[in-house]
Amino acid sequence: NAGVTQTPKFQVLKTGQSMTLQCAQDMNHEYMSWYRQDPGMGLRLIHYSVGAGITDQGEVPNGYNVSRSTTEDFPLRLLSAAPSQTSVYFCASSWMYEQFFGPGTRLTVL
Amino acid sequence: AQKITQTQPGMFVQEKEAVTLDCTYDTSDPSYGLFWYKQPSSGEMIFLIYQGSYDQQNATEGRYSLNFQKARKSANLVISASQLGDSAMYFCASSRKANAGGTSYGKLTFGQGTILTVHP
Repeated sequence: NAGVTQTPKFQVLKTGQSMTLQCAQDMNHEYMSWYRQDPGMGLRLIHYSVGAGITDQGEVPNGYNVSRSTTEDFPLRLLSAAPSQTSVYFCASSWMYEQFFGPGTRLTVL
Repeated sequence: AQKITQTQPGMFVQEKEAVTLDCTYDTSDPSYGLFWYKQPSSGEMIFLIYQGSYDQQNATEGRYSLNFQKARKSANLVISASQLGDSAMYFCASSRKANAGGTSYGKLTFGQGTILTVHP
């Protein structure tokens, strides 16, 4: 099992550019989520999904879109990048009480 | 909404000694879970321990134990026999069940974390 994979590991964008952060899991988990971690802070929930075709907003959803067409994949789209979106992004899938986190994507918006 | 408070920005402990990391929570959900995660300098999130709100006994996982005091809304992490490799950021988090009647937790709410440094 690869667990939760995220690509890319690092990304630099210019203000106004769009991009998609990829997330995939091979554990057949229904629940997946995206978090962002800013320096010196805990993770904050951006969007989550309880199964294919079902998504909902978390604490900080503005500027991000998600879709869930399959159980395995949960991409996060930045519509028009802003410097405030500079952060480390973690994707996670969960089963019972354990959340399995991906390695993270470090995004810098100039 | 759930809220997690970790009041210790940094903690120091001598190798082989025990250390307690504080966590208080606030939630209106009758059923919830409490979690601790470790984040080493490499950045990955490592699950350490879980406590369900209806669990009668405190959770333990090896050298980690969770001191759960429901009336005080506290969920402190105790690390026994600290090791140099325990130096990391530690996050307390809470969650309610992902969907009614479900078994999975989602929508974690994290505290700001405590940096633990273990001295030799």
